[in-house]
Amino acid sequence: DAGVIQSPRHEVTEMGQEVTLRCKPISGHNSLFWYRQTMMRGLELLIYFNNNVPIDDSGMPEDRFSAKMPNASFSTLKIQPSEPRDSAVYFCASSVDRDNSPLHFGNGTRLTVT
Amino acid sequence: AQSVTQLGSHVSVSEGALVLLRCNYSSSVPPYLFWYVQYPNQGLQLLLKYTTGATLVKGINGFEAEFKKSETSFHLTKPSAHMSDAAEYFCAVSDLGGTTGNEKLTFGTGTRLTIIP
Repeated sequence: DAGVIQSPRHEVTEMGQEVTLRCKPISGHNSLFWYRQTMMRGLELLIYFNNNVPIDDSGMPEDRFSAKMPNASFSTLKIQPSEPRDSAVYFCASSVDRDNSPLHFGNGTRLTVT
Repeated sequence: AQSVTQLGSHVSVSEGALVLLRCNYSSSVPPYLFWYVQYPNQGLQLLLKYTTGATLVKGINGFEAEFKKSETSFHLTKPSAHMSDAAEYFCAVSDLGGTTGNEKLTFGTGTRLTIIP
């Protein structure tokens, strides 16, 4: 089991540029979550999918943020245009719909917007 | 609305000493409660989880936590700290329930645990 795979591990970009973060959940997991971690706000849930369908995107901060899950093995989080305040670590996590199934987190993407 | 308060953003203990990390929650319904651990440059890993039943929950790496409804607490303990326990610890609550409780987790702000040799 390779775990949840996120890419890239680090991304440095200039303000105004488009940023795309990628996530491959654990095979067989049917729920996928995107979180953002900052010193100021801690861990925030941005959006989560169940069976590739977005269920709750109330945590997405602005229209500049969008997420897709075209199939069970891939999801993207896009920021367009990016701003310095978007700098954070973005985590993807997945789980399976079964009692007591834990969240499995990827190692995160550290985004720096200059 | 649910919320989590972790008392103490930094805790230092000597190797071999008791570890106590505090967590208080607020929830309008019986909650699911979690402790996650984050090692440097890694994602979070589940330490332990309370849903129903026995209020003392044992997790990985010798950690345990006790759900105390009257105190709305879910403090994390380990009898003897090890150097490898140095990490950041997050308490989380979910009052959505559901199958896994993962659907609407609210995390605390974290407690950084330092182990003194």
